[in-house]
Amino acid sequence: DAGITQSPRHKVTETGTPVTLRCHQTENHRYMYWYRQDPGHGLRLIHYSYGVKDTDKGEVSDGYSVSRSKTEDFLLTLESATSSQTSVYFCAISENRASITDTQYFGPGTRLTVL
Amino acid sequence: EDQVTQSPEALRLQEGESSSLNCSYTVSGLRGLFWYRQDPGKGPEFLFTLYSAGEEKEKERLKATLTKKESFLHITAPKPEDSATYLCAVRSNTNAGKSTFGDGTTLTVKP
Repeated sequence: DAGITQSPRHKVTETGTPVTLRCHQTENHRYMYWYRQDPGHGLRLIHYSYGVKDTDKGEVSDGYSVSRSKTEDFLLTLESATSSQTSVYFCAISENRASITDTQYFGPGTRLTVL
Repeated sequence: EDQVTQSPEALRLQEGESSSLNCSYTVSGLRGLFWYRQDPGKGPEFLFTLYSAGEEKEKERLKATLTKKESFLHITAPKPEDSATYLCAVRSNTNAGKSTFGDGTTLTVKP
């Protein structure tokens, strides 16, 4: 299994509070991603990173920010959580080099509930 | 915009009853098509990558095939432990940093 951990694994918070989710990898992969998974919507990309301090938006980035100060860590922050952000959040990593399969490997997920 | 549609949404099979899952896609230059398995409460687990039409890959009871418009995941003589949600995703050459996922097919295999 790819060395990806997510913390916390479960969190319940209240509307309006800030929340930070952490993804940590031990594979030294260049790319890291944050997805959310909701019934009927599949996996949707929030943000991704292609290197330290290099990030880009995905299809559902509104209300989320990210930071990557080290290769191994990718943080997802909800500045002011809303009930619509209740979801399961997955981190993924990939090497993404042209000569090597750019398969994404996923972490175990964080279940976030915003009351 | 890349799009992925999976069908059926849910599939119930008897143990040993072979079938196929479909993944139809539109993408501006296919970089790769990926199949994942996801068990309840867990992250997706990588199964296969297909890169070009005509390519096939096998793993135990699973076989993935690819055409220019769709991919099939064939399940031969399934067992209850094959029950899971199967996800399909594509990456395009013009947007290599991102994958577009389908909503998945939930497979249930009854003993």
